[in-house]
Amino acid sequence: QKEVEQNSGPLSVPEGAIASLNCTYSDRGSQSFFWYRQYSGKSPELIMFIYSNGDKEDGRFTAQLNKASQYVSLLIRDSQPSDSATYLCAVNWASGDKIIFGKGTRLHILP
Amino acid sequence: ETGVTQTPRHLVMGMTNKKSLKCEQHLGHNAMYWYKQSAKKPLELMFVYNFKEQTENNSVPSRFSPECPNSSHLFLHLHTLQPEDSALYLCASSQDRGTVGDNEKLFFGSGTQLSVL
Repeated sequence: QKEVEQNSGPLSVPEGAIASLNCTYSDRGSQSFFWYRQYSGKSPELIMFIYSNGDKEDGRFTAQLNKASQYVSLLIRDSQPSDSATYLCAVNWASGDKIIFGKGTRLHILP
Repeated sequence: ETGVTQTPRHLVMGMTNKKSLKCEQHLGHNAMYWYKQSAKKPLELMFVYNFKEQTENNSVPSRFSPECPNSSHLFLHLHTLQPEDSALYLCASSQDRGTVGDNEKLFFGSGTQLSVL
């Protein structure tokens, strides 16, 4: 069963704090991992991608990948109200050559 | 603006109607996708086209019929839909398919919010 699991939230984080979003996946052969942000009523937008174990930083965003434990996370530093959105984790399903999405985590940044 | 344009933005149709959704990408990509997004469900992959050829049909009912005349255009023809088909239909494109790396990044259109009465 192909699964990408995320806590649906909402996750409430004070403005200026670090928001931590987690995702686990069931296909050990997966190689590519993506984070998409989706504002209410809008389409998903790619914000981070990671292929290798470890951390990848881009501005206020850091993606962390641990293939042995089959989880990928997204950290948002200095959270802003504009970061309030649903964050979708997506995984390349190696066995089926398709990208599978989780249900998403709703993030709410408290002013 | 992602370079992927979808029309219409909103569509209301009866169960006996026939309508089509249109998607056009201006990114020079080779792969195009239809996804369905329902409330409280993950994005569901429906169809994939790579270089105009359909490479994936994710067990989608025949009342949904895709068409890809060229690498830039993708259609989804709808007929005799059911109320449970009401959802946001998203078109996406990527540079390629079947390769690991930057070419897999998906660029989404704004979507068509479909309501079936």
